[in-house]
Amino acid sequence: GAVVSQHPSWVICKSGTSVKIECRSLDFQATTMFWYRQFPKQSLMLMATSNEGSKATYEQGVEKDKFLINHASLTLSTLTVTSAHPEDSSFYICSAITMDYGYTFGSGTRLTVV
Amino acid sequence: QQQVKQSPQSLIVQKGGISIINCAYENTAFDYFPWYQQFPGKGPALLIAIRPDVSEKKEGRFTISFNKSAKQFSLHIMDSQPGDSATYFCATSNTGNQFYFGTGTSLTVIP
Repeated sequence: GAVVSQHPSWVICKSGTSVKIECRSLDFQATTMFWYRQFPKQSLMLMATSNEGSKATYEQGVEKDKFLINHASLTLSTLTVTSAHPEDSSFYICSAITMDYGYTFGSGTRLTVV
Repeated sequence: QQQVKQSPQSLIVQKGGISIINCAYENTAFDYFPWYQQFPGKGPALLIAIRPDVSEKKEGRFTISFNKSAKQFSLHIMDSQPGDSATYFCATSNTGNQFYFGTGTSLTVIP
């Protein structure tokens, strides 16, 4: 089945630094990838939709200058949390639509900003 | 506006019992209705999915019941096991466009 590989699975960074999260579609081409944020015991909150070769579309309230998304190829999308602060600590998950219109998630990244 | 409403928020079931989670939607254009299972610290994983041309789909202990006229669908977990304890999300989609997720149900199966 379609697999989306997400790295790292967890990261701890100092406040003010930037962190990059990568998502790769391993056996299919993902023209569209979605980035979600999830707080403990809550549902998935869509942050942005990234399309290969074009600018990402951000949901209302999501700071595009803080959460930089790049989708430079059909198999790779990255989310960079810039100048991270403790309130950015969360679980970040990417996903992609597969050829059969299914929806495959990455394994998630637990970001802790100290 | 919440595109899909999920209930209950949490559910406790005895081992061997039946777990039932319900979802309701409004947009009749939706044509794909999956359920995802998420364990702590992991991304959601597709459990089972249904399209509106059938009223029921069964895979092992997991069954989706779909009521097109009522715009509702539900997940039934038969013979629930402690290993089924997880958070379950329903979702809806229109031919692979953006997915809309329910708010999640935390299931605890007591031994």
